[in-house]
Amino acid sequence: QQPVQSPQAVILREGEDAVINCSSSKALYSVHWYRQKHGEAPVFLMILLKGGEQKGHDKISASFNEKKQQSSLYLTASQLSYSGTYFCGPGDNLFFGTGTRLTVIP
Amino acid sequence: GAGVSQSPRYKVTKRGQDVALRCDPISGHVSLYWYRQALGQGPEFLTYFNYEAQQDKSGLPNDRFSAERPEGSISTLTIQRTEQRDSAMYRCASSWGDRATEAFFGQGTRLTVV
Repeated sequence: QQPVQSPQAVILREGEDAVINCSSSKALYSVHWYRQKHGEAPVFLMILLKGGEQKGHDKISASFNEKKQQSSLYLTASQLSYSGTYFCGPGDNLFFGTGTRLTVIP
Repeated sequence: GAGVSQSPRYKVTKRGQDVALRCDPISGHVSLYWYRQALGQGPEFLTYFNYEAQQDKSGLPNDRFSAERPEGSISTLTIQRTEQRDSAMYRCASSWGDRATEAFFGQGTRLTVV
């Protein structure tokens, strides 16, 4: 039931953009995104409730395609503070995806 | 409280001993979740409470694991007859609504079974 994320890891230079994809084999009615910095607890970024919905959080936005059971997280003009592992999952908070480790370097 | 509080932060126990991990959620939060997280992996669902009712315990690995939330606030995760494979970070989270709401995580309890 664990959603699969891609890529597994990505390294960016400050200012570059990235896309993280999340795909579920089970029906998704909502999807959440969390970020976890090394040694810290996961922190909520956003939740998307409807198919096709897009949301933004600072320069981080996401889309959700309910029919395809997929969501994507878009990070634009990345900052050093964006480094961490990103997890997607169904909005009921019961499952988290395989994770994507993002590293932003100067 | 200001955030989700877990205690102890670190626990070292001998194989075969029982351990109890405590979670104090944010005041007023009705949903409480327990997860286990291995290094480099995402949180693995263990169990979920809505108020005092344990709504889902499908993630508990076996019958040595149990959890309770008797008054709909503080929760305890108990592991009986611990084994080395139980070593992990155990995290608790709470949210104000019945799912589909932001979950706030505690700092976790690092359990080491020797």
